[in-house]
Amino acid sequence: DQQVKQNSPSLSVQEGRISILNCDYTNSMFDYFLWYKKYPAEGPTFLISISSIKDKNEDGRFTVFLNKSAKHLSLHIVPSQPGDSAVYFCAASGSRLTFGEGTQLTVNP
Amino acid sequence: DAMVIQNPRYQVTQFGKPVTLSCSQTLNHNVMYWYQQKSSQAPKLLFHYYDKDFNNEADTPDNFQSRRPNTSFCFLDIRSPGLGDAAMYLCATSRGTSGMTDTQYFGPGTRLTVL
Repeated sequence: DQQVKQNSPSLSVQEGRISILNCDYTNSMFDYFLWYKKYPAEGPTFLISISSIKDKNEDGRFTVFLNKSAKHLSLHIVPSQPGDSAVYFCAASGSRLTFGEGTQLTVNP
Repeated sequence: DAMVIQNPRYQVTQFGKPVTLSCSQTLNHNVMYWYQQKSSQAPKLLFHYYDKDFNNEADTPDNFQSRRPNTSFCFLDIRSPGLGDAAMYLCATSRGTSGMTDTQYFGPGTRLTVL
């Protein structure tokens, strides 16, 4: 039972454009959501988070949107840079952290 | 400035031969976690320690054990590795002040190969 799903295994975007990564969840008890970024041969690094009492959180080029009624969150990166190329995991927190399968983002120069 | 360190980065073992993976942290965090991640899958929590309190996930096989001798170190022992245990093993830490909603900080992982 995959409670957190990232339906796009990969996304390719041109440098300077917006990257939108999506994540859906099924458990309405999740109350905190995080995005992690992972480069090859490294562990995931925390990127940005959002509490369920908010619908938007912004940090520089990164914005996370939460739509609780749709059980959907998204990560917007604008403008996208080649160094953003990585695997992005969304994670949801209830009694424990549950990860999605990840989306490979490639930003082309 | 490594904060969560995992050794070794790559480990090769033989089928059935016990293996130990190591994790250390310089963050003085209360909670340490072990995750298993197979290719193109989400990281799967195996267990975690809150200080010395061990918390095993219900579906973690008995083949996997853990030790936390002090705040800084945590070990993952695989007693009899099978081919299906080949994976990336990730260690993570968190402060523990907000329970499981704390941000977790990950090490680089140990890639385990079972021959």
